[in-house]
Amino acid sequence: EDKVVQSPLSLVVHEGDTVTLNCSYEVTNFRSLLWYKQEKKAPTFLFMLTSSGIEKKSGRLSSILDKKELFSILNITATQTGDSAVYLCAVEDRGTGNQFYFGTGTSLTVIP
Amino acid sequence: DAGVTQSPTHLIKTRGQQVTLRCSPKSGHDTVSWYQQALGQGPQFIFQYYEEEERQRGNFPDRFSGHQFPNYSSELNVNALLLGDSALYLCASSFDILGWTGELFFGEGSRLTVL
Repeated sequence: EDKVVQSPLSLVVHEGDTVTLNCSYEVTNFRSLLWYKQEKKAPTFLFMLTSSGIEKKSGRLSSILDKKELFSILNITATQTGDSAVYLCAVEDRGTGNQFYFGTGTSLTVIP
Repeated sequence: DAGVTQSPTHLIKTRGQQVTLRCSPKSGHDTVSWYQQALGQGPQFIFQYYEEEERQRGNFPDRFSGHQFPNYSSELNVNALLLGDSALYLCASSFDILGWTGELFFGEGSRLTVL
């Protein structure tokens, strides 16, 4: 079964809208959760959330981690066309040798 | 500061052939992980190399093998190619801290098409 599930699979919004992307996970021994933005090829790092850092913010992007309910959200406010990309969530599982499990991603399209 | 570099960027092979993909990690990184990303899917973990040894392996057959060199660069080899091996192969480097993989930095990937 999938260890990391992202929702929605795709999203189309207008510039200026606020979006919330979801990531739920189920791993044996959680260590960290990472968010990436993938525009064409290389995923680029956005945030890392751990037990000691459950909330991160950078400009218009912010993310929180709920270790009790096993999910994370990525918020993007005042969206711009440059935010159009696939957003990937990855969870590191100490139970399997610190292996990262990725979700299938959320495809975000921001239209002018 | 050079990031993660991969080569080649694109390649086309036929079924049954063999392919070698190369990766140079980000400066200062000692751990290399390889991922396969099929179209519309998230990256799937193939294996990880640390100190020239395969440290972890995902659910991939033995046709997938790798190597890490003393300068931390790495190769991914795939033998007896199948149509289903067509994908974007991503290399990610990181710095090992007491066995913790840490943050992954990805290269641009190698797009493999098997005909």
